[in-house]
Amino acid sequence: KNQVEQSPQSLIILEGKNCTLQCNYTVSPFSNLRWYKQDTGRGPVSLTIMTFSENTKSNGRYTATLDADTKQSSLHITASQLSDSASYICVVSAQAGGTSYGKLTFGQGTILTVHP
Amino acid sequence: DSGVTQTPKHLITATGQRVTLRCSPRSGDLSVYWYQQSLDQGLQFLIQYYNGEERAKGNILERFSAQQFPDLHSELNLSSLELGDSALYFCASSEGVRGEKLFFGSGTQLSVL
Repeated sequence: KNQVEQSPQSLIILEGKNCTLQCNYTVSPFSNLRWYKQDTGRGPVSLTIMTFSENTKSNGRYTATLDADTKQSSLHITASQLSDSASYICVVSAQAGGTSYGKLTFGQGTILTVHP
Repeated sequence: DSGVTQTPKHLITATGQRVTLRCSPRSGDLSVYWYQQSLDQGLQFLIQYYNGEERAKGNILERFSAQQFPDLHSELNLSSLELGDSALYFCASSEGVRGEKLFFGSGTQLSVL
């Protein structure tokens, strides 16, 4: 069964500090891994998307890494800001044939709270 | 703003009732996806439509149905509602059928009392 597990479930940090969120997956066959940011009451917004051959990708203060051998990914946030407070969701896409929708498996998310 | 519009934002109804959620995809996107997010669960894929046709089905109950119209907007119909159907329902859209880049709407919060 395809699964995506994220840790920690929640995290509280002070503004300006760095943090790292973890994602382990057992999705096969693997197509890509995405990190989304979801503000409370809003829809998820894409931060990064990585395929098998990519092991790091940055989007501003967000840097995602992927180890396809160990099936692990991390999202590193540097110099955190109050606006980084949100749920961060790891999503793994299974390969699809031809013109089919690649089934997405969503993690439960890590709730990050940044305090001043 | 993702460009995906969902209405209504909030919906409160009673058990046994039927509701319709509406989604307008981003301009140019042909695929629409519906997801359910319950309080302590991750997003669950319900169904996908591409250019008016159903393309993929996830964990969608038989009491739920959806369609995509010629103008590409989509509706999710939920009937015989139960307390457990209370959740956030998200619509997402993508240009193609493979869902490589998804853009999510702000969701409809459904409360079944």
